[in-house]
Amino acid sequence: AQSVTQLDSQVPVFEEAPVELRCNYSSSVSVYLFWYVQYPNQGLQLLLKYLSGSTLVKGINGFEAEFNKSQTSFHLRKPSVHISDTAEYFCAVSDPSGNTPLVFGKGTRLSVIA
Amino acid sequence: DGGITQSPKYLFRKEGQNVTLSCEQNLNHDAMYWYRQDPGQGLRLIYYSQIVNDFQKGDIAEGYSVSREKKESFPLTVTSAQKNPTAFYLCASSITGPGSYEQYFGPGTRLTVT
Repeated sequence: AQSVTQLDSQVPVFEEAPVELRCNYSSSVSVYLFWYVQYPNQGLQLLLKYLSGSTLVKGINGFEAEFNKSQTSFHLRKPSVHISDTAEYFCAVSDPSGNTPLVFGKGTRLSVIA
Repeated sequence: DGGITQSPKYLFRKEGQNVTLSCEQNLNHDAMYWYRQDPGQGLRLIYYSQIVNDFQKGDIAEGYSVSREKKESFPLTVTSAQKNPTAFYLCASSITGPGSYEQYFGPGTRLTVT
Protein backbone atom coordinates (compact mmCIF):
# COMPACT_ATOMS: atom_id res chain seq x y z
CA ALA A 1 0.00 0.00 0.00
CA GLN A 2 1.11 3.52 -0.70
CA SER A 3 2.02 5.84 2.14
CA VAL A 4 3.13 9.43 2.57
CA THR A 5 5.41 10.83 5.25
CA GLN A 6 5.55 14.51 5.99
CA LEU A 7 8.70 14.85 8.00
CA ASP A 8 7.81 17.99 9.94
CA SER A 9 4.55 18.45 11.82
CA GLN A 10 5.20 22.15 12.43
CA VAL A 11 7.43 24.65 10.64
CA PRO A 12 7.80 28.21 11.98
CA VAL A 13 9.42 30.72 9.63
CA PHE A 14 9.86 34.48 9.56
CA GLU A 15 8.04 36.55 6.98
CA GLU A 16 9.93 36.95 3.67
CA ALA A 17 12.19 33.98 4.48
CA PRO A 18 12.25 30.87 2.26
CA VAL A 19 10.55 27.67 3.33
CA GLU A 20 10.67 23.99 2.39
CA LEU A 21 8.04 21.49 3.50
CA ARG A 22 9.22 17.92 3.10
CA CYS A 23 7.25 14.98 1.73
CA ASN A 24 8.38 11.42 1.05
CA TYR A 25 6.24 8.68 -0.44
CA SER A 26 6.57 4.93 -0.58
CA SER A 27 5.77 3.34 -3.89
CA SER A 28 7.68 1.25 -6.37
CA VAL A 29 5.43 2.17 -9.26
CA SER A 30 4.47 5.35 -11.05
CA VAL A 31 2.53 7.79 -8.92
CA TYR A 32 0.75 11.08 -9.12
CA LEU A 33 1.66 13.56 -6.38
CA PHE A 34 -0.26 16.50 -4.94
CA TRP A 35 0.11 19.32 -2.44
CA TYR A 36 -2.98 20.81 -0.82
CA VAL A 37 -3.37 23.80 1.52
CA GLN A 38 -5.96 24.13 4.29
CA TYR A 39 -6.74 27.43 5.99
CA PRO A 40 -8.38 27.28 9.44
CA ASN A 41 -11.85 25.75 9.44
CA GLN A 42 -11.92 25.37 5.67
CA GLY A 43 -11.66 22.57 3.15
CA LEU A 44 -8.52 21.67 1.22
CA GLN A 45 -7.43 23.58 -1.88
CA LEU A 46 -5.09 22.16 -4.49
CA LEU A 47 -1.72 23.98 -4.64
CA LEU A 48 -0.03 21.93 -7.35
CA LYS A 49 0.25 18.46 -8.80
CA TYR A 50 2.82 16.27 -10.54
CA LEU A 51 1.53 13.84 -13.13
CA SER A 52 4.46 13.46 -15.54
CA GLY A 53 7.01 15.49 -17.47
CA SER A 54 9.11 18.22 -15.88
CA THR A 55 10.09 17.38 -12.34
CA LEU A 56 9.74 21.01 -11.22
CA VAL A 57 6.09 21.89 -10.81
CA LYS A 58 4.80 25.40 -10.24
CA GLY A 59 1.59 26.05 -8.38
CA ILE A 60 -0.55 28.84 -7.04
CA ASN A 61 0.54 31.52 -4.57
CA GLY A 62 4.20 31.28 -5.63
CA PHE A 63 4.73 27.69 -4.45
CA GLU A 64 6.67 25.08 -6.37
CA ALA A 65 7.63 21.45 -5.78
CA GLU A 66 10.26 19.13 -7.15
CA PHE A 67 9.64 15.47 -7.90
CA ASN A 68 12.67 13.30 -7.15
CA LYS A 69 12.08 9.70 -8.14
CA SER A 70 15.37 8.33 -6.79
CA GLN A 71 14.69 9.81 -3.36
CA THR A 72 10.90 9.26 -3.57
CA SER A 73 10.38 12.84 -2.49
CA PHE A 74 8.14 15.73 -3.47
CA HIS A 75 9.21 18.70 -1.36
CA LEU A 76 7.27 21.97 -1.46
CA ARG A 77 9.14 25.29 -1.55
CA LYS A 78 8.48 29.00 -1.57
CA PRO A 79 11.31 31.56 -1.85
CA SER A 80 9.63 34.23 0.30
CA VAL A 81 6.64 33.57 2.55
CA HIS A 82 3.90 35.94 3.63
CA ILE A 83 1.77 36.02 6.75
CA SER A 84 -1.14 34.82 4.59
CA ASP A 85 0.72 31.54 3.92
CA THR A 86 0.06 30.46 7.50
CA ALA A 87 -1.94 27.26 7.05
CA GLU A 88 -1.72 23.48 7.10
CA TYR A 89 -0.19 21.77 4.08
CA PHE A 90 -0.89 18.20 3.00
CA CYS A 91 1.03 16.01 0.59
CA ALA A 92 -0.92 13.24 -1.17
CA VAL A 93 -0.20 10.38 -3.57
CA SER A 94 -2.31 8.33 -5.95
CA ASP A 95 -1.69 5.65 -8.53
CA PRO A 96 -2.36 6.41 -12.20
CA SER A 97 -5.15 3.86 -12.50
CA GLY A 98 -7.49 6.23 -10.68
CA ASN A 99 -9.21 3.36 -8.93
CA THR A 100 -8.15 4.20 -5.38
CA PRO A 101 -8.54 7.34 -3.27
CA LEU A 102 -5.67 9.70 -2.59
CA VAL A 103 -3.45 8.80 0.35
CA PHE A 104 -2.64 11.83 2.49
CA GLY A 105 0.22 12.62 4.82
CA LYS A 106 -0.49 13.86 8.34
CA GLY A 107 0.11 17.48 7.38
CA THR A 108 2.62 20.22 8.18
CA ARG A 109 1.50 23.35 9.98
CA LEU A 110 3.33 26.36 8.57
CA SER A 111 3.40 29.38 10.87
CA VAL A 112 4.73 32.61 9.39
CA ILE A 113 6.02 35.03 12.00
CA ALA A 114 5.99 38.79 11.42
CA ASP B 1 -20.67 28.06 -9.60
CA GLY B 2 -19.61 24.43 -9.63
CA GLY B 3 -18.47 22.96 -6.37
CA ILE B 4 -19.16 20.91 -3.30
CA THR B 5 -21.47 22.02 -0.52
CA GLN B 6 -21.55 20.61 2.98
CA SER B 7 -24.17 21.52 5.50
CA PRO B 8 -24.34 22.57 8.18
CA LYS B 9 -20.99 24.22 8.91
CA TYR B 10 -21.32 23.46 12.65
CA LEU B 11 -23.38 20.67 14.18
CA PHE B 12 -24.00 19.87 17.82
CA ARG B 13 -25.50 16.62 19.08
CA LYS B 14 -26.01 14.76 22.32
CA GLU B 15 -24.23 11.48 22.87
CA GLY B 16 -26.29 8.50 21.73
CA GLN B 17 -27.97 10.30 18.82
CA ASN B 18 -27.37 9.49 15.18
CA VAL B 19 -26.58 12.47 12.97
CA THR B 20 -26.42 12.84 9.18
CA LEU B 21 -23.98 15.15 7.42
CA SER B 22 -24.92 16.39 3.98
CA CYS B 23 -22.63 16.53 0.94
CA GLU B 24 -23.74 17.66 -2.51
CA GLN B 25 -21.69 18.26 -5.66
CA ASN B 26 -22.56 19.73 -9.06
CA LEU B 27 -19.24 18.91 -10.73
CA ASN B 28 -20.65 15.80 -12.43
CA HIS B 29 -18.00 13.70 -10.68
CA ASP B 30 -18.51 9.98 -10.37
CA ALA B 31 -16.46 9.50 -7.20
CA MET B 32 -17.17 10.94 -3.76
CA TYR B 33 -15.32 10.57 -0.46
CA TRP B 34 -15.70 11.23 3.25
CA TYR B 35 -12.73 12.03 5.48
CA ARG B 36 -12.40 12.67 9.16
CA GLN B 37 -9.81 15.16 10.40
CA ASP B 38 -8.46 15.29 13.94
CA PRO B 39 -5.58 17.51 15.11
CA GLY B 40 -2.21 15.97 14.23
CA GLN B 41 -3.73 12.97 12.45
CA GLY B 42 -4.22 14.30 8.96
CA LEU B 43 -7.13 13.07 6.87
CA ARG B 44 -8.47 9.59 7.44
CA LEU B 45 -10.76 7.99 4.88
CA ILE B 46 -14.14 6.85 6.17
CA TYR B 47 -16.02 5.74 3.02
CA TYR B 48 -15.85 6.34 -0.69
CA SER B 49 -18.08 5.70 -3.67
CA GLN B 50 -17.05 5.48 -7.31
CA ILE B 51 -20.52 4.96 -8.74
CA VAL B 52 -24.14 5.35 -7.74
CA ASN B 53 -25.47 2.59 -5.45
CA ASP B 54 -21.98 1.34 -4.61
CA PHE B 55 -19.50 2.33 -1.90
CA GLN B 56 -16.46 0.95 -0.11
CA LYS B 57 -15.20 1.18 3.44
CA GLY B 58 -12.15 3.26 4.11
CA ASP B 59 -9.69 2.99 6.97
CA ILE B 60 -12.05 4.02 9.78
CA ALA B 61 -15.58 3.00 8.69
CA GLU B 62 -16.72 1.59 12.05
CA GLY B 63 -19.58 3.60 13.51
CA TYR B 64 -20.39 5.34 10.21
CA SER B 65 -22.77 4.61 7.33
CA VAL B 66 -23.32 6.13 3.89
CA SER B 67 -25.66 5.95 0.92
CA ARG B 68 -25.25 6.91 -2.73
CA GLU B 69 -28.68 7.01 -4.30
CA LYS B 70 -27.87 9.96 -6.57
CA LYS B 71 -24.66 10.95 -8.34
CA GLU B 72 -24.75 14.40 -6.75
CA SER B 73 -25.25 13.34 -3.14
CA PHE B 74 -23.26 11.28 -0.63
CA PRO B 75 -24.63 11.72 2.92
CA LEU B 76 -22.71 10.41 5.93
CA THR B 77 -24.46 9.16 9.07
CA VAL B 78 -22.50 9.17 12.29
CA THR B 79 -24.13 6.54 14.45
CA SER B 80 -24.18 6.18 18.22
CA ALA B 81 -21.70 3.31 17.79
CA GLN B 82 -18.93 5.75 16.86
CA LYS B 83 -16.88 6.10 20.06
CA ASN B 84 -15.36 9.53 19.45
CA PRO B 85 -17.50 11.33 16.87
CA THR B 86 -16.36 14.89 17.63
CA ALA B 87 -14.22 15.91 14.64
CA PHE B 88 -14.04 17.94 11.43
CA TYR B 89 -15.60 16.05 8.51
CA LEU B 90 -14.61 16.71 4.92
CA CYS B 91 -16.37 15.57 1.78
CA ALA B 92 -14.58 15.41 -1.58
CA SER B 93 -15.25 14.35 -5.16
CA SER B 94 -13.22 13.48 -8.24
CA ILE B 95 -13.40 12.11 -11.74
CA THR B 96 -12.58 8.45 -12.29
CA GLY B 97 -10.72 6.61 -15.00
CA PRO B 98 -7.39 7.48 -16.68
CA GLY B 99 -6.35 11.09 -16.24
CA SER B 100 -5.85 13.59 -13.47
CA TYR B 101 -7.07 12.48 -10.08
CA GLU B 102 -7.10 15.46 -7.81
CA GLN B 103 -9.93 15.56 -5.35
CA TYR B 104 -12.07 18.63 -4.85
CA PHE B 105 -13.08 19.37 -1.29
CA GLY B 106 -16.10 20.90 0.38
CA PRO B 107 -15.79 23.44 3.22
CA GLY B 108 -16.29 20.82 5.94
CA THR B 109 -18.67 20.24 8.85
CA ARG B 110 -17.45 20.50 12.43
CA LEU B 111 -19.38 18.01 14.57
CA THR B 112 -19.39 18.31 18.34
CA VAL B 113 -20.99 15.57 20.43
CA THR B 114 -21.45 16.09 24.17
